[in-house]
Amino acid sequence: NAGVTQTPKFRVLKTGQSMTLLCAQDMNHEYMYWYRQDPGMGLRLIHYSVGEGTTAKGEVPDGYNVSRLKKQNFLLGLESAAPSQTSVYFCASSRRDSTGELFFGEGSRLTVL
Amino acid sequence: DQQVKQNSPSLSVQEGRISILNCDYTNSMFDYFLWYKKYPAEGPTFLISISSIKDKNEDGRFTVFLNKSAKHLSLHIVPSQPGDSAVYFCAASSSTNAGKSTFGDGTTLTVKP
Repeated sequence: NAGVTQTPKFRVLKTGQSMTLLCAQDMNHEYMYWYRQDPGMGLRLIHYSVGEGTTAKGEVPDGYNVSRLKKQNFLLGLESAAPSQTSVYFCASSRRDSTGELFFGEGSRLTVL
Repeated sequence: DQQVKQNSPSLSVQEGRISILNCDYTNSMFDYFLWYKKYPAEGPTFLISISSIKDKNEDGRFTVFLNKSAKHLSLHIVPSQPGDSAVYFCAASSSTNAGKSTFGDGTTLTVKP
């Protein structure tokens, strides 16, 4: 049982480059989320989705775009990477009737030079 | 304004003793509180939760206490084991808010043998 899988696990970008992080879940969860974690800080919500074809902004959405074309996949895009986007990114999913329990992927470490 | 605060960045305890991790929140709309555990290079994993209609929830060595009037919750680990050494995140969610969770900055627990 894979749970939540994130690819890639590591990536180094130059300022201005673009990239996409892929999140896939096999638990048939309705809700999916992208968080970022910076040193000494908690997880901050970037974007989330409550179902296929729907997305919404979280706490820190600027500089990111997302898409949820399939229920099991949630993509996070950086169109023009900036050093401030150097972070560890976590994808998570949950059931619609959940009272908040999130299932996380292992994280994707992104460095922007 | 940080809605979920963990004021102790770190905690060190001796094996076999009790570990107490604290968390404060400000938003009265939160009605579900969760603790996650995170090892290095891994995603957070759900540990224990409590609904706002309860004041205590126990699961083996882990107990979470909620004081709604003080907007305070705590996680007790008894007895503490070296394998408990990790970063612990407190999180809060609202049942009316699509399962989105707001996280504290985390407390690094070190259990010494």
